[in-house]
Amino acid sequence: AQKITQTQPGMFVQEKEAVTLDCTYDTSDQSYGLFWYKQPSSGEMIFLIYQGSYDEQNATEGRYSLNFQKARKSANLVISASQLGDSAMYFCAMREEGGFKTIFGAGTRLFVKA
Amino acid sequence: NAGVMQNPRHLVRRRGQEARLRCSPMKGHSHVYWYRQLPEEGLKFMVYLQKENIIDESGMPKERFSAEFPKEGPSILRIQQVVRGDSAAYFCASSWSRGRGTEAFFGQGTRLTVV
Repeated sequence: AQKITQTQPGMFVQEKEAVTLDCTYDTSDQSYGLFWYKQPSSGEMIFLIYQGSYDEQNATEGRYSLNFQKARKSANLVISASQLGDSAMYFCAMREEGGFKTIFGAGTRLFVKA
Repeated sequence: NAGVMQNPRHLVRRRGQEARLRCSPMKGHSHVYWYRQLPEEGLKFMVYLQKENIIDESGMPKERFSAEFPKEGPSILRIQQVVRGDSAAYFCASSWSRGRGTEAFFGQGTRLTVV
C-alpha cells in the first residue's frame, strides 16, 4: 500500500536561508508521481512542484527544488532563500501510474523567522 | 480561466442537519476528487467521479455520505445527519485526465463546522 511519511511536524528557518523538508514514501509501483503542496493559513492548497519516478533530473520551480532519491524512496523539498510568506503547512503527496487517488503525508509546518 | 470553485467557503450545521458542498471544476476538466482534512492532518481521499459516474468511493464513509457529478452543474458532496466528527475542511480537486503526472487543481475548500 502507498504511504507518505513526513517526520518533521514543525520546522523553523531564518529568512533568506535555505530549508529542506523531508518526505519518504512507500509504494510497490515502478511508475508514480510525487507532488508538494503548500497550505497557507488561509487554507487553500497550492501546487508547488512535481517529480515523476522516471525523471532523471530533479525537478525545480523557481525557489523550489525536489531532491529525489529513488533508491531511498525520498523526495525532499528544498526551499532556497526563504521568505516570510513561505510560512505555511507543506504536504508531500504521491499518485501511482493510472491512479486517481493522491496520498498525502501529515504535513510539515514551516515557520520563517525575520 | 477560473480555478476550481467551491462553495460555500464556510458552513455551519447543527447535529442532525444535512450539509451540501458544491464544487465546480476547472473548465475542460471532467475528473473530480473530494478529500477531507481533519485539523492538523493531511488530506484523505474520499471519492473520485467523472461526469455522471462514481469511479471510486473507497474513502467515503459507508453511511450518510454521498457524492454526485451530474451531466450539468457542479459536483455535490452530501452529508446527511451530520455529527460533530464530520467537522473538517472538505477539498475538491479537478483534473483533465488521470495518471501519475496529472496535476490536480484544488479548490479553496469548504470548512464545515457541526455544532
